[in-house]
Amino acid sequence: EPEVTQTPSHQVTQMGQEVILRCVPISNHLYFYWYRQILGQKVEFLVSFYNNEISEKSEIFDDQFSVERPDGSNFTLKIRSTKLEDSAMYFCASSEAGGRRSEKLFFGSGTQLSVL
Amino acid sequence: GENVEQHPSTLSVQEGDSAVIKCTYSDSASNYFPWYKQELGKGPQLIIDIRSNVGEKKDQRIAVTLNKTAKHFSLHITETQPEDSAVYFCAAPAGSYQLTFGKGTKLSVIP
Repeated sequence: EPEVTQTPSHQVTQMGQEVILRCVPISNHLYFYWYRQILGQKVEFLVSFYNNEISEKSEIFDDQFSVERPDGSNFTLKIRSTKLEDSAMYFCASSEAGGRRSEKLFFGSGTQLSVL
Repeated sequence: GENVEQHPSTLSVQEGDSAVIKCTYSDSASNYFPWYKQELGKGPQLIIDIRSNVGEKKDQRIAVTLNKTAKHFSLHITETQPEDSAVYFCAAPAGSYQLTFGKGTKLSVIP
């Protein structure tokens, strides 16, 4: 069964450092997302991406965050200068359809980011 | 924006019993309601979803009901098994491209 893959599974970084989280969405999917989950809390939307541009972003997704699809298979989330409060599990997701027809998001297993 | 409330936060049932998790939403325009199951160390996995043009959908031991008038939807798991133990999240569309999730319900099925 096709799946979304994320690397690395764990990332430890020092405050102020840049990190890049990587994802390979399901190959025929056109819409890509990043969500995050702080320990014990609910899953929160960060950003959606379609046709090589951001289609929607949340208040969490400030200027420190950026996304990119550098080639035909990878989808990355970059945090330029990490803060302690960026520590969370980051999930990549993809879907065939988007917009108000958004459905059937497939999530990866996540990258646990720890900022020290 | 959409606000999704989920109850209870924890639920313990004996194996074989039924489990019910309830969610309410605020945006009457929302038309799609998925349920996700998250096992330890894994990402959320879609287990069932329902669109606003139906009131109930069933898939083996799992069912979801939707009351659009009251703006709530529920997940029903019958004949629970230990492997049903996980955190369950409801969700609803919050914008054109995003889902808002509930805070999750930790279900424990006691053998």
